[in-house]
Amino acid sequence: IVMTQSPATLSVSPGERATLSCRASQSVTSNLAWYQHKPGQGPRLLIYGASTRATGIPARFSGSGSGTEFTLTISSLQSEDFAVYYCQQYHDWPRYTFGQGTKLEIK
Amino acid sequence: EVQLVQSGAEVKEPGESLKISCKGSEDTFTNYWIVWVRQMPGKGLEWMGMIYPGDSDTRYSPSFQGQVTLSADKSLNTAYLQWRSLKASDTAMYYCARTYGDYIPFDFWGQGTLVTVSS
Repeated sequence: IVMTQSPATLSVSPGERATLSCRASQSVTSNLAWYQHKPGQGPRLLIYGASTRATGIPARFSGSGSGTEFTLTISSLQSEDFAVYYCQQYHDWPRYTFGQGTKLEIK
Repeated sequence: EVQLVQSGAEVKEPGESLKISCKGSEDTFTNYWIVWVRQMPGKGLEWMGMIYPGDSDTRYSPSFQGQVTLSADKSLNTAYLQWRSLKASDTAMYYCARTYGDYIPFDFWGQGTLVTVSS
C-alpha cells in the first residue's frame, strides 16, 4: 500500500491552524497512524485509529478520515510542533508503510 | 516508563560487518514485536522488518530480505540488526520500535543509531 502525503512542506505561523493530508493507494479502513519526528529523536506516535490521540498527546492534535483519505489537524501551532509528520498504514500486516512526510516549518 | 535504548553511532568502511542493538524491558520483549526502520539522509521512514523475541519469528520487507539479519536475545531484552558486508548506501539512521502486532501501530521508538559507511 502506497501512502502519499501533501504538501511536502507547510509553512504556518505560530498560533495558526495546520492541516496535513495523507492518501492511501487502497483502503486501510481506520488503520492509520500519525507520527511526529524531531531531529535527534525517535518518532512519536500522535494519532492511531485515524482519530484517537495517543497517551499524553495534547488536544490541539486531531485526526480524521477513513478508507483512503486522512487528515491531521493542529489547531493552534506551538513552537514545539514544528517538525516532520508521517502517516503510516498498519492495515497490511506486516508491511506497515509510511508516507514520505510533511515538514511543518515556521512561517 | 517504556524505553527502547539503541547502541551508539558507528562509522565503518565498505565491506565491514556490523551489529547494532536495541534494548528494552522484559514486558516489551515478552509481548511485542520489535521493528526496525531506516531513514536515509534527507529521506523518509522505511520499514525494514520485525522480530518477535518470544519465538524469533521474523518478517522482512522484500527490499531488505537478504541484505540484513534481525535477531533477538530475550534473556538480555535486546534486539539486533546486522549486516555482513556494509555498502555506502547503508549510510542512514536506523530506528527500532515496538508493536503489539496485527493492526497495531508502533507505540514507542528508540532514539536511533546513525550508521556511516565510508572509505
